[in-house]
Formats: sequence, C-alpha cells, structure tokens
Amino acid sequence: ETGVTQSPTHLIKTRGQQVTLRCSSQSGHNTVSWYQQALGQGPQFIFQYYREEENGRGNFPPRFSGLQFPNYSSELNVNALELDDSALYLCASSSGTDYFSYEQYFGPGTRLTVT
Amino acid sequence: KNEVEQSPQNLTAQEGEFITINCSYSVGISALHWLQQHPGGGIVSLFMLSSGKKKHGRLIATINIQEKHSSLHITASHPRDSAVYICAVGVWHNNNDMRFGAGTRLTVKP
Repeated sequence: ETGVTQSPTHLIKTRGQQVTLRCSSQSGHNTVSWYQQALGQGPQFIFQYYREEENGRGNFPPRFSGLQFPNYSSELNVNALELDDSALYLCASSSGTDYFSYEQYFGPGTRLTVT
Repeated sequence: KNEVEQSPQNLTAQEGEFITINCSYSVGISALHWLQQHPGGGIVSLFMLSSGKKKHGRLIATINIQEKHSSLHITASHPRDSAVYICAVGVWHNNNDMRFGAGTRLTVKP
C-alpha cells in the first residue's frame, strides 16, 4: 500500500461529457503527477502539480486540466470527452519535483470508459 | 521511434530462472525508474536510479549513463513475479516530463 488513493475506481461517461477524477496523495507529499494509460500501452505523462501550481505538462490538450489543494488532494478534469480518452488514469505523489528524480508513489487508478 | 525502448516485449520463464529486462533511452535524463504493474492496474515503484546499481531482495537494477541503457534482473524467479515491468525516465529539459516504455510482460511458470 502506497497511501495514495483514487476515486472513483471505475467510471462510464458519454462522449462530450465532462469528468473529474480525484487523488489523495501520501501524507507530506507536495507533488502529484497524473498519467493516462491506454489498454496495452505504457503510461503517458499528463501533468504535474507542485504546491498547487502546474509544474510540467506532457503532450495533452487544454481540455485536460487539474487542481491541487492545500491538503495535497488533487483533481484531474477532462472536458468534451472523446472515445480515445478511455483509459486507466493514474496519479502518483512524491516528496519533491526536480525532473522526476524523486520516487513516485502510485495510486490504484481510475478506469474511465467513454461510450 | 519511442524515446524509451524496452526488450523483450513478452517473456516467459520457468520458476527459478534468472531474468533480464532491458531498457534503452535516447534523451537526457535526471533519473530512471523501474515500475511493476500487476493485473488490475496498480503500479509499484521498484527502483529509482541515476547511476550504478541497486539491489532489493531478488531484484537488481543497473544503469549505464554513457550507453543510455538500464537492466532489471530477477534472480530465482517465482510465479508471483509475473507482472508487467515498465521502465520510465525523468527527462532533462525546461519542463518536468516523464517518458515511459511500453512495458515487458513477464510470466513465470511453476
């Protein structure tokens, strides 16, 4: 157990809808990163938040947005859902940033299906 | 071409065998991570290294920065080692970024 939790576990949405996924970081971790993992592929980095500010972003459009709160919980919001957004969404917390030179502690993931 | 390449893609071994999974990368990195993913999706960090070698139980990870190559070794493999092993790198540039390999699916048969 990493101490990182995510909710919900599974979610089904319709194309065009909006979705919010939640993550609770390990206690004391000020950095959270979000990843998308399509079926059968490796994860892809979406973005990272450090002390409530976006601190890095992968190749994802602006309809993917996030928030980090003072209690180190965080959200991933996706607007205008597309079928290709169907994936496992993972968050990971760490005790620092610095180009991912800190160990990542992953949550169990949220599986999103867009129909 | 993917910036992080893993080999082999799939690996089947008999219990007790010595296993090696390889990772090559083509970008400047701050650190390399080896991750384990079991069916159902949960990911566990096995190692993070930026030089040399690390050992934890039956697992050993090595990295050669000059050759941009890392290996994950499993000694005395066991069926519970069956999982997908993923190599990921923290990338050096003006933006925090992490790139992942596609993973190596390991099956250890009793």
